[in-house]
Amino acid sequence: GNSVTQMEGPVTLSEEAFLTINCTYTATGYPSLFWYVQYPGEGLQLLLKATKADDKGSNKGFEATYRKETTSFHLEKGSVQVSDSAVYFCALLNPSGTYKYIFGTGTRLKVLA
Amino acid sequence: DAGVTQSPTHLIKTRGQQVTLRCSPKSGHDTVSWYQQALGQGPQFIFQYYEEEERQRGNFPDRFSGHQFPNYSSELNVNALLLGDSALYLCASSTGTGSYNEQFFGPGTRLTVL
Repeated sequence: GNSVTQMEGPVTLSEEAFLTINCTYTATGYPSLFWYVQYPGEGLQLLLKATKADDKGSNKGFEATYRKETTSFHLEKGSVQVSDSAVYFCALLNPSGTYKYIFGTGTRLKVLA
Repeated sequence: DAGVTQSPTHLIKTRGQQVTLRCSPKSGHDTVSWYQQALGQGPQFIFQYYEEEERQRGNFPDRFSGHQFPNYSSELNVNALLLGDSALYLCASSTGTGSYNEQFFGPGTRLTVL
């Protein structure tokens, strides 16, 4: 079946540090991949997405590349800010007959000033 | 353009009670999905409604039921509440056609069962 595995958190970084949050997936067919961010007490906001292999999604300095050969979609940012502190969810959407997102368990990021 | 809206924001119930949560989809969207997000976990798919019918269902008991209205808004009903039903309930809307049905999420309803 379809599944998403994210690195365990929390991840604690100093401001301006480099961020990587690992995400790997298992899926049949060719899923779309997403990163969502959830700030405290709020719902999910789409951060970026990629719909086919080798696509790079980017937004607000965050990037992730859809790697089919390694079934990965790692989130990166070159210089994090305190305002990036949140929980990040990797998710897949498999168009092969299903209509639901499969989410990872989330990775909490804390950025210290 | 209003996004996905949900009501109420917070809700407190006791075990055995019933609850109804409401969702209005983003303008132009005709499909509504519901997810349950327990504390510290990723969202879990409950079900999806399209053309006023349940199109797909996740691994949730029959105590969880839903409805979609002609204006595409939706309700999630949970009967015989259990402590374990305490969670953030997220509604997401999308368009029914096409394979890559990107879903847009609302802010959620936080349900606490005492």
